[in-house]
Amino acid sequence: QSVLTQPPSASGTPGQRVTISCSGSHSNVGSNAVNWYQQLPGTAPRLLSFANNQRPSGVPDRFSGSKSGTSASLAISGLQSEDEGDYYCAVWDDRLNHQVFGEGTKLTVL
Amino acid sequence: QVHLVESGGGVVQPGGSLRLSCAISGFTLDDFAMHWVRQAPGKGLEWLAVLSHDGVTTFHADSVKGRFAISRDTSENSLFLQATALGYEDTAVYFCARDYSGNGAFDIWGQGTMVTVSS
Repeated sequence: QSVLTQPPSASGTPGQRVTISCSGSHSNVGSNAVNWYQQLPGTAPRLLSFANNQRPSGVPDRFSGSKSGTSASLAISGLQSEDEGDYYCAVWDDRLNHQVFGEGTKLTVL
Repeated sequence: QVHLVESGGGVVQPGGSLRLSCAISGFTLDDFAMHWVRQAPGKGLEWLAVLSHDGVTTFHADSVKGRFAISRDTSENSLFLQATALGYEDTAVYFCARDYSGNGAFDIWGQGTMVTVSS
């Protein structure tokens, strides 16, 4: 069981906006930068957002990360069918002294 | 072009060992921290270990501490994960990843190498 809590599933229709949450504690989300990854079926993870709200080059601006206190979120606007996959938050935990991933959220585009 | 290519996976008996390799091209190990992450079949991502850019500092997840060891060879520009005392729970795809920001932002991933622990 991860120290980061994500909803196991999320869904939306094409064009909709979906938000995935990531809840942690003061030793992780509250103290360090949160990163988000997308993993499409059968592929390696891809960095979508880093340092809470920065977007790597090549990532569409439909994806945006944010953080407030001990919670973080990934918003996906203009949902597309190719966005179907698993989404993970990740952050360093000062108490555990290692990186932690959330358990992942499976996004379905209806 | 920046690439990571893992190798060394395979089928191993419980209690056995493997050495996983991650061949790096397009950048040098001296410039980035590197990590190992694994994913058991049908499960989520599990962080395993990190090696600092200067090769001095390592951290390992509790689940593998004392059994797995991350290391590197700068002359080969390669990262390694020595995995010992393997158990069924270690069956997974193992990924190496580059830490872009030093804050655990893994911007480059390999394709993964599969380790199956089976008798």
